[in-house]
Amino acid sequence: GAVVSQHPSWVICKSGTSVKIECRSLDFQATTMFWYRQFPKQSLMLMATSNEGSKATYEQGVEKDKFLINHASLTLSTLTVTSAHPEDSSFYICSASLGQDEKLFFGSGTQLSVL
Amino acid sequence: GESVGLHLPTLSVQEGDNSIINCAYSNSASDYFIWYKQESGKGPQFIIDIRSNMDKRQGQRVTVLLNKTVKHLSLQIAATQPGDSAVYFCAESYTGNQFYFGTGTSLTVIP
Repeated sequence: GAVVSQHPSWVICKSGTSVKIECRSLDFQATTMFWYRQFPKQSLMLMATSNEGSKATYEQGVEKDKFLINHASLTLSTLTVTSAHPEDSSFYICSASLGQDEKLFFGSGTQLSVL
Repeated sequence: GESVGLHLPTLSVQEGDNSIINCAYSNSASDYFIWYKQESGKGPQFIIDIRSNMDKRQGQRVTVLLNKTVKHLSLQIAATQPGDSAVYFCAESYTGNQFYFGTGTSLTVIP
């Protein structure tokens, strides 16, 4: 299957700082990637769809100025949590598929802890 | 999104028994469904998928059943092993692009 790499796997930051998370498709090109958020013992919530070369599409209730997404190449999407606060602490997971109507492959996730 | 995260229901089974995990999906227009397995602190792993033109699909030790009438999906795991202990999610797609996840079920296999 396709490999999606996510970095870092764990980050601790101070309140008010910004954190960037990278998602790479290692052995395929992904015109679309997806960012999810997961709180402990809960499901994955789709945050946004990252489109290569264009603006991301955000799900209802997700602040686009808070969660900046950049998809500058066919193998890299980044999520920047700006001015992070403790309530942003969560497990962030990216995913990508081989194309429209294809299964998603997931990165290993990033645990963000904001102090 | 289509699904709201709630606290996970749990299922405990004896090693060697069969497991059945259920999922109620929310959108009648969904036409592609996937079961994922997630171990603690890791990203979800693909288990098996099914499209809406089918009602059953089998993999290695796993079977997915789809009932579109009642918008219900199930995952059957045969001869459950300790390594099957994890959280299982169903995901639905009606856009061909975005997938929305169900609540999830935490499976514990008792040796």
